[in-house]
Amino acid sequence: EDQVTQSPEALRLQEGESSSLNCSYTVSGLRGLFWYRQDPGKGPEFLFTLYSAGEEKEKERLKATLTKKESFLHITAPKPEDSATYLCAVQAGSGNTGKLIFGQGTTLQVKP
Amino acid sequence: DSGVTQTPKHLITATGQRVTLRCSPRSGDLSVYWYQQSLDQGLQFLIQYYNGEERAKGNILERFSAQQFPDLHSELNLSSLELGDSALYFCASSVSGQVNYEQYFGPGTRLTVT
Repeated sequence: EDQVTQSPEALRLQEGESSSLNCSYTVSGLRGLFWYRQDPGKGPEFLFTLYSAGEEKEKERLKATLTKKESFLHITAPKPEDSATYLCAVQAGSGNTGKLIFGQGTTLQVKP
Repeated sequence: DSGVTQTPKHLITATGQRVTLRCSPRSGDLSVYWYQQSLDQGLQFLIQYYNGEERAKGNILERFSAQQFPDLHSELNLSSLELGDSALYFCASSVSGQVNYEQYFGPGTRLTVT
């Protein structure tokens, strides 16, 4: 069964303190890995898509990387406005569908 | 703003009732997805439509059904509601119905069953 696990569940950082969030996956045929940001009571906001091991993408203070078994979301010098839940999701298998399988998320709190 | 709209924002109803949630995809997107988010289960895929036809089903209950209309908007119908159906329901859309295309999520409908 396809599975996505995120760690840690919660992370508290001081402003400027860099860290990484982990997303490990067990799927039959990874087609794409997606990172989303979700603020309380709002819909997930798309951040990145990664397709193959070794791929990296950056956006402001965020950088996503992908290996054959896991993905990391690196946050450099975070600010309080980076506080949110970060969700990892995968598309897998050979079927003709784009359905996403989500992890449980990492809730990040950045204190000033 | 993702460009995906959902109505209503909040819905409070009683057990045993039926409700309809509505979603309008981004302009140009042909595929619509429905997801349920609860505290204990996280975000769970329910069903996908592509250009009016059902493309994939997840763990969607038999009491739930959906459809996509010719103008590409979609409705999710939930019937015989139970307390456990209380959750956030999200609609997402993408250009294509296949893999490798990012999905853009709407603001969600918060359903409370009392």
